[in-house]
Amino acid sequence: GESVGLHLPTLSVQEGDNSIINCAYSNSASDYFIWYKQESGKGPQFIIDIRSNMDKRQGQRVTVLLNKTVKHLSLQIAATQPGDSAVYFCADQYSSASKIIFGSGTRLSIRP
Amino acid sequence: EAGVAQSPRYKIIEKRQSVAFWCNPISGHATLYWYQQILGQGPKLLIQFQNNGVVDDSQLPKDRFSAERLKGVDSTLKIQPAKLEDSAVYLCASSLTGLGNTIYFGEGSWLTVV
Repeated sequence: GESVGLHLPTLSVQEGDNSIINCAYSNSASDYFIWYKQESGKGPQFIIDIRSNMDKRQGQRVTVLLNKTVKHLSLQIAATQPGDSAVYFCADQYSSASKIIFGSGTRLSIRP
Repeated sequence: EAGVAQSPRYKIIEKRQSVAFWCNPISGHATLYWYQQILGQGPKLLIQFQNNGVVDDSQLPKDRFSAERLKGVDSTLKIQPAKLEDSAVYLCASSLTGLGNTIYFGEGSWLTVV
């Protein structure tokens, strides 16, 4: 079925450490995966995406890893900063429907 | 480049009243989405337009929700009559057409039904 889930609802990280946010998906037909960041009172903001024919993609301070064997997606944030505090959503999109399905989100908090 | 514009930002209404939200997508984006986000949850797609046609409205409560995009640009989402459980943020988003095109969200319209 169509579902995207996250392992943990909250994550607390020391400033300067790396953050890893995990996500599981259920549909092996999913072709496109996206990570969004949502700060309080704002709409979701695109961070990084990855197609199913890739297993890793890097951006500025962020890396997304895709493991299709176990249907697992992760977002790694290097040198976490206070501005990274937000709720992070993974989402997937099927090639046939072009509809994005969001998970429930992980709230990342930064300890000084 | 201007982002997705939404109004009003905040609205408080009594149950059984009606409300309308407006969205202006990014210029040139043929695909427009309305999402509902209840506090503590991820956004849920209500309706997706391709130009002025509906692509997906399978999760739109059609007995009380309606949406239109008559000229293929701006869109309105209406709720009538509102229920308490409709209290949520209504997010409009837009994208170029096709898989893999980034979806850009507006700031949302916050609805409280009392």
